[in-house]
Amino acid sequence: DSGVTQTPKHLITATGQRVTLRCSPRSGDLSVYWYQQSLDQGLQFLIQYYNGEERAKGNILERFSAQQFPDLHSELNLSSLELGDSALYFCASSVDFSGNTIYFGEGSWLTVV
Amino acid sequence: AQRVTQPEKLLSVFKGAPVELKCNYSYSGSPELFWYVQYSRQRLQLLLRHISRESIKGFTADLNKGETSFHLKKPFAQEEDSAMYYCALSGRYGGSQGNLIFGKGTKLSVKP
Repeated sequence: DSGVTQTPKHLITATGQRVTLRCSPRSGDLSVYWYQQSLDQGLQFLIQYYNGEERAKGNILERFSAQQFPDLHSELNLSSLELGDSALYFCASSVDFSGNTIYFGEGSWLTVV
Repeated sequence: AQRVTQPEKLLSVFKGAPVELKCNYSYSGSPELFWYVQYSRQRLQLLLRHISRESIKGFTADLNKGETSFHLKKPFAQEEDSAMYYCALSGRYGGSQGNLIFGKGTKLSVKP
């Protein structure tokens, strides 16, 4: 077990709604990453936090936001949801920001209906 | 453009046969290359990375900068190798570190 935990595992919500996905990194890891996996786009990097600060942004929509709290857990907020936002959202963590060893969580399945 | 290409969506081989999962990349600079594996109902996990020059579960991968490739190889496939394999790269410096760019993945099926 890699130690990265994500909740909820599955979520079904309606278009226009807002959801929050939660991630607890492995003990001792300071970096948290969020990825989106969809059938058409594959695995895409969304955003990275390191020790509470945003470090890098990828293909994250303006309707999406994230933060990392002082206890290092992170939340990904998805608002004004559209059908196309249905995807598997992965959180990952690493001890630093070098990215040499990144551990992934099991993901949160989001279905927008 | 930064891109990772895995040309095969599905690769099916028999047990004991050699396996080669192809990966080509496009990146301005010197990237770090990785292979990740996802077994059925399990999370994505790191298989190997080019800087380590290691062999994990019999798999190896050599970075060919001239051909911009990082193919994954195993001389004798086992049934337990059946999984989804993703090639990925990240930059070595600054904000590009740790931000993995993934290929679309290749599903390896090893038949008995």
